[in-house]
Amino acid sequence: GAGVSQSPRYKVAKRGQDVALRCDPISGHVSLFWYQQALGQGPEFLTYFQNEAQLDKSGLPSDRFFAERPEGSVSTLKIQRTQQEDSAVYLCASSLQGGSYTFGSGTRLTVV
Amino acid sequence: QQQVKQSPQSLIVQKGGISIINCAYENTAFDYFPWYQQFPGKGPALLIAIRPDVSEKKEGRFTISFNKSAKQFSLHIMDSQPGDSATYFCAASKGSSNTGKLIFGQGTTLQVKP
Repeated sequence: GAGVSQSPRYKVAKRGQDVALRCDPISGHVSLFWYQQALGQGPEFLTYFQNEAQLDKSGLPSDRFFAERPEGSVSTLKIQRTQQEDSAVYLCASSLQGGSYTFGSGTRLTVV
Repeated sequence: QQQVKQSPQSLIVQKGGISIINCAYENTAFDYFPWYQQFPGKGPALLIAIRPDVSEKKEGRFTISFNKSAKQFSLHIMDSQPGDSATYFCAASKGSSNTGKLIFGQGTTLQVKP
């Protein structure tokens, strides 16, 4: 597609529920990033993939967060046993080797 | 530890005026400094970026000024327009843009009054 596509756009989860957020990067983009943006804050790095390899997961806040990109294109961010503090916008970005990021519009997660 | 500090938190400018947003960083290993623009409900979009080997970069109405010794950089928006009303984020990273995770500032909400 023309841009980075994220789904769903909005997700309401009950506390304790598992959620899965999907990112479709721009075709051919090798690098894929996930960021978390709390209300009124700047995005914070979660994890980075180069093709299917997860090269940096230092930003994942707990072991409840898990990301995968099994075939080097689509990526899924999974959050287990959601907590209220997980409420945020989750942004995905992709880039060509040596290129700048293109961000998606994000998934707004609300945990109630 | 906040590695990139951004100010002001909010800014109101009259149409045609100059908007100035400032950022300071701590890590001298940072070597890529982009500015992003974000509209409500959208992801951040790259506006302009600079590397520390130059002190200024201009693209249209947008200029980055960079002071390596002070570890500060700023965004100037000349002839500000109502369509520029958005949230602006500075950021910094180590290494090339595609492998370095970006550390973002807290953001500045800009309102340009007609």
